Amino acid sequence: EPEVTQTPSHQVTQMGQEVILRCVPISNHLYFYWYRQILGQKVEFLVSFYNNEISEKSEIFDDQFSVERPDGSNFTLKIRSTKLEDSAMYFCASSALRGLYEQYFGPGTRLTVT
Amino acid sequence: KQEVTQIPAALSVPEGENLVLNCSFTDSAIYNLQWFRQDPGKGLTSLLLIQSSQREQTSGRLNASLDKSSGRSTLYIAASQPGDSATYLCEDNTGKLIFGQGTTLQVKP
Repeated sequence: EPEVTQTPSHQVTQMGQEVILRCVPISNHLYFYWYRQILGQKVEFLVSFYNNEISEKSEIFDDQFSVERPDGSNFTLKIRSTKLEDSAMYFCASSALRGLYEQYFGPGTRLTVT
Repeated sequence: KQEVTQIPAALSVPEGENLVLNCSFTDSAIYNLQWFRQDPGKGLTSLLLIQSSQREQTSGRLNASLDKSSGRSTLYIAASQPGDSATYLCEDNTGKLIFGQGTTLQVKP
């Protein structure tokens, strides 16, 4: 069964450093998403991506965040200058279409900012 | 602004019991609601997507309903098993992609 994959599973970085989280969505899906979950809190939507551009973003997704689909398979989330409060689990998801089909989530990347 | 609430936050039941998990939302302009399961430290596993036109959706021992007029969705788990122990999350799949805070279920053998 097709699945969303994410790398790395755990990333430790120092405050102020840039990190890139990588995702491979399900191959025939058209919508891609990033969410985060701070330990003990709700899963929060960050951004959705369709047709090579951002389709929606939340208030959390400020200028320090960016997304990219550098090739036909990868989908990345870049955090330019990490802060302690960026420590969280980051989930990538994909769906065939927005709002009509199930979203499928990857296993997550645990980001720890020290 | 859509708000999604799940009550109770935690639930403990003996094995074999039938149970209902609740998900309430404030904005009735919702077309689809998705239920997920999350095991500790893991990703989200999709359980069911229910569309407002369907009212109910079934998968194995799981049955989800959606009532837009009351702003409520329920996930019914029949004959619960210890392997069902996890956190169950609902998401407004249509609008702002808002999740509830989850119900953590423990099924005791």
